[in-house]
Amino acid sequence: GAVVSQHPSRVICKSGTSVKIECRSLDFQATTMFWYRQFPKQSLMLMATSNEGSKATYEQGVEKDKFLINHASLTLSTLTVTSAHPEDSSFYICSVMVGGEAGYTFGSGTRLTVV
Amino acid sequence: GENVEQHPSTLSVQEGDSAVIKCTYSDSASNYFPWYKQELGKRPQLIIDIRSNVGEKKDQRIAVTLNKTAKHFSLHITETQPEDSAVYFCAANTGRRALTFGSGTRLQVQP
Repeated sequence: GAVVSQHPSRVICKSGTSVKIECRSLDFQATTMFWYRQFPKQSLMLMATSNEGSKATYEQGVEKDKFLINHASLTLSTLTVTSAHPEDSSFYICSVMVGGEAGYTFGSGTRLTVV
Repeated sequence: GENVEQHPSTLSVQEGDSAVIKCTYSDSASNYFPWYKQELGKRPQLIIDIRSNVGEKKDQRIAVTLNKTAKHFSLHITETQPEDSAVYFCAANTGRRALTFGSGTRLQVQP
């Protein structure tokens, strides 16, 4: 089945620094990837839709200059949290729709802690 | 955009009893309704899904029902076991190809 690899699984960074999270599809090409954020005891909230070769589409309230998304190839999308602050601490997870409406597969998630 | 509401937020049942979680959605164009189980710090795991051309689907102890007219769908778990304890999320496909998730239900199965 479709496999999505996400790295790193955990990262701790200092306030003001940037962190890059990678989401890689291992056995299929993904023209579209979705990035979600999940705060403790809350649901997964869509942040943005990453489109290969074009600009990402951000959900309302998500700062595109703070959460930089790059989808330069059919197998890799990256999310960079710039100038991170403690309130950015969260669980970030990518997702890909596989084979039209065949379902979705998720990365393993990244636990970001900003200190 | 799509709005998915999920109830209850917490559910405690005795081992062997049934558990039912309900969701409603707002976008009549939605046509794919998956249910996920998520353990702490892990990715969501698909446990069952249903599409808009089907009213009910069952997989062993798990079943999902869909009422498109009323725009609601439900998860039914029978003969619950302690290992069923987790957080469950419903979701709907918005037509923009991204899933919108419900708020989650924390299920606790008491042995």
